[in-house]
Amino acid sequence: QKEVEQNSGPLSVPEGAIASLNCTYSDRGSQSFFWYRQYSGKSPELIMFIYSNGDKEDGRFTAQLNKASQYVSLLIRDSQPSDSATYLCAVPGRDSSYKLIFGSGTRLLVRP
Amino acid sequence: DGGITQSPKYLFRKEGQNVTLSCEQNLNHDAMYWYRQDPGQGLRLIYYSQIVNDFQKGDIAEGYSVSREKKESFPLTVTSAQKNPTAFYLCASADRDIQYFGAGTRLSVL
Repeated sequence: QKEVEQNSGPLSVPEGAIASLNCTYSDRGSQSFFWYRQYSGKSPELIMFIYSNGDKEDGRFTAQLNKASQYVSLLIRDSQPSDSATYLCAVPGRDSSYKLIFGSGTRLLVRP
Repeated sequence: DGGITQSPKYLFRKEGQNVTLSCEQNLNHDAMYWYRQDPGQGLRLIYYSQIVNDFQKGDIAEGYSVSREKKESFPLTVTSAQKNPTAFYLCASADRDIQYFGAGTRLSVL
């Protein structure tokens, strides 16, 4: 089992809809979780991080963490075509919190 | 203007050649990282450094070397031993466990 797993997509949603991106992780001891957005040909950009169970909201973005089920989700409300990108989930490595383990990303397409 | 600067943006390597990718940060971060990204793939860790004059191998260190002589700088050398170097190389620095990325260097083989 990979340490961090994401559905590669693409996930296609119409403009204005809610996009839901999911990530599962294998290390029960993980304490922090990160979501990065990567536009095609560009570098990853941090959009959300979450440490505690429950929801964390920032503008149109909500991160949801369920440690018991070992998944973290990213919800994007009122999706815009500019949200079309690959979204990477990352968690610290088992052997060092200095290292992040990245999922392979989910590609999101928002249709105008 | 604070940030992480990678240069060059594009780099071409000839057979048997070593090339060095530059990464400079002015964020006063202690930790710095090098990742490799292949098309359609996630990021794989090459090397990381938590402090000046110290660095550790990541998951795919073979064929690469680094140095950390200054807090601001963490150059990566892709040696001739790396037989498949074509990829997008990303440098990051971290404030505690939160990593921020430079714009990346795209390396190709001539």
